[in-house]
Amino acid sequence: QQQVKQSPQSLIVQKGGISIINCAYENTAFDYFPWYQQFPGKGPALLIAIRPDVSEKKEGRFTISFNKSAKQFSLHIMDSQPGDSATYFCAASPGTSYGKLTFGQGTILTVHP
Amino acid sequence: EPEVTQTPSHQVTQMGQEVILRCVPISNHLYFYWYRQILGQKVEFLVSFYNNEISEKSEIFDDQFSVERPDGSNFTLKIRSTKLEDSAMYFCASSAMGYNEQFFGPGTRLTVL
Repeated sequence: QQQVKQSPQSLIVQKGGISIINCAYENTAFDYFPWYQQFPGKGPALLIAIRPDVSEKKEGRFTISFNKSAKQFSLHIMDSQPGDSATYFCAASPGTSYGKLTFGQGTILTVHP
Repeated sequence: EPEVTQTPSHQVTQMGQEVILRCVPISNHLYFYWYRQILGQKVEFLVSFYNNEISEKSEIFDDQFSVERPDGSNFTLKIRSTKLEDSAMYFCASSAMGYNEQFFGPGTRLTVL
């Protein structure tokens, strides 16, 4: 019940296309949902995050869509660029904890020029 | 821009040896975390630390592990007797508030031979 399931495992997109990564959770205590971007050899970097009081959050080319009833959330990367090629992790945290993050398995995104 | 720093970047040790991984969190942050990532796998929570004590730990964080904030700036993870399966990237993270964004360091790659 603590798991966060992420799909797809890998994604190839052409430059300018839309990248979509999906996550699903079961623990209804989760109420903070960040996305992290990780380049090889680097630590995860916070990209964008959402709380369940809104259904969508947009920051530049990155949008999180959140469906509370379905317990799903997704990351959309508009106008994908080769520089977006990285591993993306969704995560979730319950409000009752001291911020413990449960991560998804990760999605390796490759954007071809 | 403030960032989390970690030393060393790579640590090689023999099985059974003790290692100490060091982290300097962002200076005004109050919550500190250790996560690990086995090569090619997802990031896993180890422990959270607040107000000079452990607030939460995972089942991975057994008696071989300990954390300490020896002064006002450093946060350390000690593994008393390393095992082959401890080989992983270890990430330190910090946040201003427990229910808030976590910022990750670049990681320490631990190799146990």
